[in-house]
Amino acid sequence: EVQVVESGGGLVQPGGSLRLSCAASGFTFRSWWMSWVRQAPGKGLEWVASIMPDGSEKYYVDSVKGRFTISRDNAKNSLFLQMNSLRAEDTAVYYCARDRAASDEGGFDYWGQGTLVTVSS
Amino acid sequence: EIVMTQSPATLSVSPGERATLSCRASQSVSSNLAWYQEKPGQAPRLLIYGASTRATGIPARFSGSGSGTEFTLTISSLQSEDFAVYYCQQYNNWPYTFGQGTKLEIK
Repeated sequence: EVQVVESGGGLVQPGGSLRLSCAASGFTFRSWWMSWVRQAPGKGLEWVASIMPDGSEKYYVDSVKGRFTISRDNAKNSLFLQMNSLRAEDTAVYYCARDRAASDEGGFDYWGQGTLVTVSS
Repeated sequence: EIVMTQSPATLSVSPGERATLSCRASQSVSSNLAWYQEKPGQAPRLLIYGASTRATGIPARFSGSGSGTEFTLTISSLQSEDFAVYYCQQYNNWPYTFGQGTKLEIK
C-alpha cells in the first residue's frame, strides 16, 4: 500500500526556520517525482515545490524561491522541505504528494494527511 | 504563470442530478489537466488526469472533458459523498497552478 506521511510542522516565529519531512512507503520512491503542496486556512491548494527522482532538478513557486529548499534521500525513502525566513503568509497545511510528472499521466496521485505550519509571534 | 479560473465558486445541486464544473486556463495547457476532490479533514483525491482519464478507483459517474483552455468536470448523478470542493490543476508548465476551487453543495 502506497503511503506518504508528513511530519515536522509546528509553531514558529516570523523569520524562523522549520524542516518538514515526508516518509514514503509502498512504492519505488527513487523512481518518482515528489512535490509539496500547501493550503492556507480556509483557502485553496497551492503547489510549492517539486523534485526529480534523482534530485537533480527542482522547481519552486516564486513566493518561496530563495527561502525554501526541497530535497530527498532516496536511500531512506524520504522527502524534505527546508523552510527559512518564514512569513505569516506561509501558514498552511503542507502536503507531501507523489507527482506523476515523469509519466504521460500527470497529477498528484497519493497525498499525505498534511502537517500544519503556523508562523506567528 | 498560467492562471486557472474555476466557475462557479459554489454550485448547489440536488442528489441524483447532474453537476457541471468549469475550469479555464489563461493559456493553453493542452490536455495536461487534473481534477481533485477535497473533503473536510481529508487530503485531496485525484479524480481525473489528462483532462479526461479517470484515476484508479474513481466511479464512472465522474467524467472530464476539454483541451487547450476550456475544461469541464461532470458528475452524472450526484451521490451524498460527492458534495465537496473540487479543484482543477494544470501540469503543462512550471509553476504548476490550481484553480481556486468550486464548492459543490446540497440543494
